[in-house]
Amino acid sequence: DAGVTQSPTHLIKTRGQQVTLRCSPISGHKSVSWYQQVLGQGPQFIFQYYEKEERGRGNFPDRFSARQFPNYSSELNVNALLLGDSALYLCASSSGDMGALGNQPQHFGDGTRLSIL
Amino acid sequence: EDQVTQSPEALRLQEGESSSLNCSYTVSGLRGLFWYRQDPGKGPEFLFTLYSAGEEKEKERLKATLTKKESFLHITAPKPEDSATYLCAVNTGANSKLTFGKGITLSVRP
Repeated sequence: DAGVTQSPTHLIKTRGQQVTLRCSPISGHKSVSWYQQVLGQGPQFIFQYYEKEERGRGNFPDRFSARQFPNYSSELNVNALLLGDSALYLCASSSGDMGALGNQPQHFGDGTRLSIL
Repeated sequence: EDQVTQSPEALRLQEGESSSLNCSYTVSGLRGLFWYRQDPGKGPEFLFTLYSAGEEKEKERLKATLTKKESFLHITAPKPEDSATYLCAVNTGANSKLTFGKGITLSVRP
């Protein structure tokens, strides 16, 4: 079975531009979460969506937004890019709502490496 | 605020030299503790879920244990292919998120 797939794998943008990252969850998984990982750090939570509704939001500015589609795939949008947005953006899926069923594992894709020049 | 601290930051072992990685946590109510393995340029790969003190899980050379304040990932007779960064994360249900530690970079020399 296919795991979590993310596209593109790499992206180079300049400051002030906008970017859209895409994620397809594992078949049958209804929850998608987004994380930002900078070099040498653990992933930091950005959003969780379950059944197309936002269920959690991390400490990120409003330049970050996301949505989930009827087929449970998801997009992460970042506007007005800053140099500090350079990072690996990870998508993770799980079968249930992370807030309701806390012991369910999240399964991660290999991420999108975003570089801001 | 939930906090996860992993130690040591880096660990170098000789092949066959067993050791343990530590994850200590401060949370309001633990719903699950997770161990992941991350290879360079890849996303985290799920290893174990633990959710009650005293619980243990095993997979090949790895064994994870949980107490009320910390978790250990024991590596028995490691091989070079066990070299990776090991991440610990907790879910308290608040805000539907995983809170990660910074990870432990393990290098196993042949």
